[in-house]
Amino acid sequence: QKEVEQNSGPLSVPEGAIASLNCTYSDRGSQSFFWYRQYSGKSPELIMFIYSNGDKEDGRFTAQLNKASQYVSLLIRDSQPSDSATYLCAVNGGNYGQNFVFGPGTRLSVLP
Amino acid sequence: KAGVTQTPRYLIKTRGQQVTLSCSPISGHRSVSWYQQTPGQGLQFLFEYFSETQRNKGNFPGRFSGRQFSNSRSEMNVSTLELGDSALYLCASSLEDEGGWGPTEAFFGQGTRLTVV
Repeated sequence: QKEVEQNSGPLSVPEGAIASLNCTYSDRGSQSFFWYRQYSGKSPELIMFIYSNGDKEDGRFTAQLNKASQYVSLLIRDSQPSDSATYLCAVNGGNYGQNFVFGPGTRLSVLP
Repeated sequence: KAGVTQTPRYLIKTRGQQVTLSCSPISGHRSVSWYQQTPGQGLQFLFEYFSETQRNKGNFPGRFSGRQFSNSRSEMNVSTLELGDSALYLCASSLEDEGGWGPTEAFFGQGTRLTVV
């Protein structure tokens, strides 16, 4: 059974701080990794994806991947109250095509 | 460009009935996947269609089925509805990575909220 784990939170950070969200996965054959943000009552929206070990930056967001440790993280710099949401880690199932296994999500609260 | 469109947005059905949900992917996206989201189980993968063929399947009973048309639009059907099928059903469309590693830019629609009474 392929599993993705995240701390459910809530994770509270002050405005302007760095929020660090973590995710571990069980399937060593996983190839692609995604971070989604989901506001209450809305559908998940893609923040970024990462394939290769190391860091990938997009604006205030940085995804970090360590395949040896089976660990993915998302850093949000200069956190804003509008970043308050649930952050979902998704790992593609290793088969060809789309077969996401989602973590339970981490609820982030950015305090003004 | 238009996003992923799901219809209807809300549905109320009675136990034992069947339901069909529709998803129109982003133009140019050939992969369409379906997910069920509930408070208790989170987001769970149902199945994926690509070029009118089911390519991946999750661990759901056979009451859940789908299909994809030549224009990449997809439908999902649930037969003999149970109370536990009440959920948000999400469709995601994606481009394929040329290297075959799987999806890039997988985008979700707004979902169909199904309530079974």
